Amino acid sequence: AQTVTQSQPEMSVQEAETVTLSCTYDTSESDYYLFWYKQPPSRQMILVIRQEAYKQQNATENRFSVNFQKAAKSFSLKISDSQLGDAAMYFCAYRGAGNNRKLIWGLGTSLAVNP
Amino acid sequence: DTGVSQDPRHKITKRGQNVTFRCDPISEHNRLYWYRQTLGQGPEFLTYFQNEAQLEKSRLLSDRFSAERPKGSFSTLEIQRTEQGDSAMYLCASSLAQNNSPLHFGNGTRLTVT
Repeated sequence: AQTVTQSQPEMSVQEAETVTLSCTYDTSESDYYLFWYKQPPSRQMILVIRQEAYKQQNATENRFSVNFQKAAKSFSLKISDSQLGDAAMYFCAYRGAGNNRKLIWGLGTSLAVNP
Repeated sequence: DTGVSQDPRHKITKRGQNVTFRCDPISEHNRLYWYRQTLGQGPEFLTYFQNEAQLEKSRLLSDRFSAERPKGSFSTLEIQRTEQGDSAMYLCASSLAQNNSPLHFGNGTRLTVT
């Protein structure tokens, strides 16, 4: 069975600095998708970025980018120029490429942004 | 489209009562998911539908929980004979059928069982 591990329960970063959140996963599949979701306090979960395993190029969305290391089964999220609004729980998630596959979630990393 | 809508936002009920939550997904999304989330934890999968068919139900889900999506549009989640351990945020999400399609979440329904 697939698992997702986020080894950092809590992280903090100074405003305008860069922070990297780690995520590792375990799978025997070769084709899958990886996602980072953000959940601000008392607000809804939203997608930050996604990566297809067959793509070698790391996904980027504005200040958010990933470092996808397929052989190492690592999928870290880098947030550049951190803003106060980035403070949230960040969840890493995995989904296999087969039919009717559901997301496998990590336990999350709580990110604090210090002014 | 205004996104995934959940009703109510908050529900307080006494132990033993039945509660029902509603989720309206994004209109073109044929997949609909229910999750439960407790404080400081990630979402815990409960069940999901593709159109009106319930394709999977978590083995962690007791018989007191039931979900429906009768016309393949909105869905309801009912909890019978609520227990204090049912207190949690219940999240609904929807997506297209492709596995690379991300989930779009609603704001959730916070259930408190007293």
